[in-house]
Amino acid sequence: RKEVEQDPGPFNVPEGATVAFNCTYSNSASQSFFWYRQDCRKEPKLLMSVYSSGNEDGRFTAQLNRASQYISLLIRDSKLSDSATYLCVVNLMIYNQGGKLIFGQGTELSVKP
Amino acid sequence: DGGITQSPKYLFRKEGQNVTLSCEQNLNHDAMYWYRQDPGQGLRLIYYSQIVNDFQKGDIAEGYSVSREKKESFPLTVTSAQKNPTAFYLCASSLRDSRAIYFGEGSWLTVV
Repeated sequence: RKEVEQDPGPFNVPEGATVAFNCTYSNSASQSFFWYRQDCRKEPKLLMSVYSSGNEDGRFTAQLNRASQYISLLIRDSKLSDSATYLCVVNLMIYNQGGKLIFGQGTELSVKP
Repeated sequence: DGGITQSPKYLFRKEGQNVTLSCEQNLNHDAMYWYRQDPGQGLRLIYYSQIVNDFQKGDIAEGYSVSREKKESFPLTVTSAQKNPTAFYLCASSLRDSRAIYFGEGSWLTVV
């Protein structure tokens, strides 16, 4: 089982649609969680951290369920500019070595006019 | 401007040659990382360093070497022992045990 697994893509949606990305992680010792966005041939950029209580940033909502080891990202009213690959990232704390970030494979989103 | 600078952006290497990718950050971050990304694939950790003069192997360290002589700098050498070096290489940094890491713009390495 992969340490971080995401929905296989790509997701093709019309503008204005609501789209949800799902991610599961295998190590219950994981301590912090993030969503990154990566445009084609560019570096990943932090989209948002994911907090236990859930958090929202404009059209984006992230949720964490520690019991189920599940993370989600919801994008409302999707825009053409949201087209990118979305990466689920988990920070696993390793004794004496600090944090180790583990990346999911990413889910590609394509928003069409 | 504060940030992470990688160079060169594009590099071509002949088989059997070693090449070094530069990564410099002026964010005063303690930790630095090197990742590799192949087309259509996720990121894989090569090496990371939490403090100066110390670093650990990641998941795919074979054929690579690093040094961390200064807090700001974490160069990666791709040696001739790396059999499939053509990839997109990403350097990143974070505060130690931070909640998130930040990436440079990446370096494209092609073996010709």
